Amino acid sequence: QVQLVQSGAEVREPGASVKVSCKASGYTFTVYYINWVRQAPGQGLEWMGWINPNSGGTNYAQKFQGRVTMTRDTSISTAYMELSRLTSDDTAVYFCARGTSTGRFDPWGQGTLVTVSS
Amino acid sequence: QSALTQPPSVSGSPGQSVTISCTGTSSDVGSYNRVSWFQQSPGTAPKLMIYEVSNRPSGVPDRFSGSKSGNTASLTISGLQAEDEADFYCSSYTRTGTYVFGTGTKVTVL
Repeated sequence: QVQLVQSGAEVREPGASVKVSCKASGYTFTVYYINWVRQAPGQGLEWMGWINPNSGGTNYAQKFQGRVTMTRDTSISTAYMELSRLTSDDTAVYFCARGTSTGRFDPWGQGTLVTVSS
Repeated sequence: QSALTQPPSVSGSPGQSVTISCTGTSSDVGSYNRVSWFQQSPGTAPKLMIYEVSNRPSGVPDRFSGSKSGNTASLTISGLQAEDEADFYCSSYTRTGTYVFGTGTKVTVL
């Protein structure tokens, strides 16, 4: 079955970077986009950006431009999201989701909790 | 890009219908039929319920339906059931090639 499995929880100090992985299985990795979405504690969903695994092309939400980098390794069907210059406001659960050009985000990974604390 | 506007909460008794609105602008909801709806229960990942305004993925009950008029999309749950209690989010494609989510709506089954 189609599945996205994310890496485990991370704890970082302010100013550091974090890299979250999302391993796809059950479908051809290069056919669908991978979107990254985050959710701060008790808050709503926030779209961060997408990567086209075929070309490596990306499109980031303006809020994260300059601070986020999305990459992929097609040999292992894995996408990555790296966020730098972390602050406490970046404490959130980060999700990856397979996406089509029409915004069909399905399925989603299980989420990765990133905690930023000194 | 500002979040799409949803009511914070809606409620209904079992068997009733509830409708959640999702208001955007002519730069997102109003210009593209790329509106999706997601259901999220506490501690779990969101689940796709509706895509491309009104299409249901396989496995989603036909009690869930979507529509759009102008800059506002809507999700209707007919025949409300206890298991429908959750948070619901809309999303839309935007003219910059990005996506934006709604503010979220908590559905309570009385």
